[in-house]
Amino acid sequence: QLVLTQSPSASASLGASVKLTCTLSSGHSSYAIAWHQQQPEKGPRYLMKLNSDGSHKKGDGIPDRFSGSSSGAERYLTISSLQSEDEADYYCQTWGTDIRVFGGGTKLTVL
Amino acid sequence: EVQLVESGGGLVQPGGSLRLSCAASGFTFSSYSMNWVRQAPGKGLEWVSYINSGSSTLYYADSVKGRFTISRDNAKNSLYLQMDSLRAEDTAVYYCAKDSSSWDIDYWGQGTLVTVSS
Repeated sequence: QLVLTQSPSASASLGASVKLTCTLSSGHSSYAIAWHQQQPEKGPRYLMKLNSDGSHKKGDGIPDRFSGSSSGAERYLTISSLQSEDEADYYCQTWGTDIRVFGGGTKLTVL
Repeated sequence: EVQLVESGGGLVQPGGSLRLSCAASGFTFSSYSMNWVRQAPGKGLEWVSYINSGSSTLYYADSVKGRFTISRDNAKNSLYLQMDSLRAEDTAVYYCAKDSSSWDIDYWGQGTLVTVSS
């Protein structure tokens, strides 16, 4: 079964960097994912598509502070030079033959 | 600029029906697959349904299979979700979401709230 696992919460200080993790279920380590950001009281926004080799393609207007990387079944979103507006929920998303799957989301607090 | 604008949400009684619409602009609607994704109050994102560009392939989450029907009208640049036999657990903000050419979702609407309550 295709499942994405995310830690429920993360925190980091203003100006620092943070690395969020999304883990693919067993047997699915070659899958690409997408990262989405949802700021409080807003709809989601697409950040990037992240492949298993770590290559990624960002969405329109996404700052260079956002980057992605991969290792085995893990997919990472790194946000550098954290700003207050980065405080949001972050979701990973993948797709199978007949399904789309979201991780449970990570709530990022900027201290 | 890609725009996805949902409409049709509201308050409906359990067992009732509702039809959501999504008006698309800023891209060639007929060339892309589309999705509905929902978010219950205080919860995460849940994929609901998928339709390919030509309406020949439809997928549904198990939670809505047999009750919801996705459709599209490429001439009107519009996506629809017919929701029947609604339950309290269907209460959520429903988002229209566009697939990229490589299957990830790359654009979202602002959402429309559906409340199922007596």
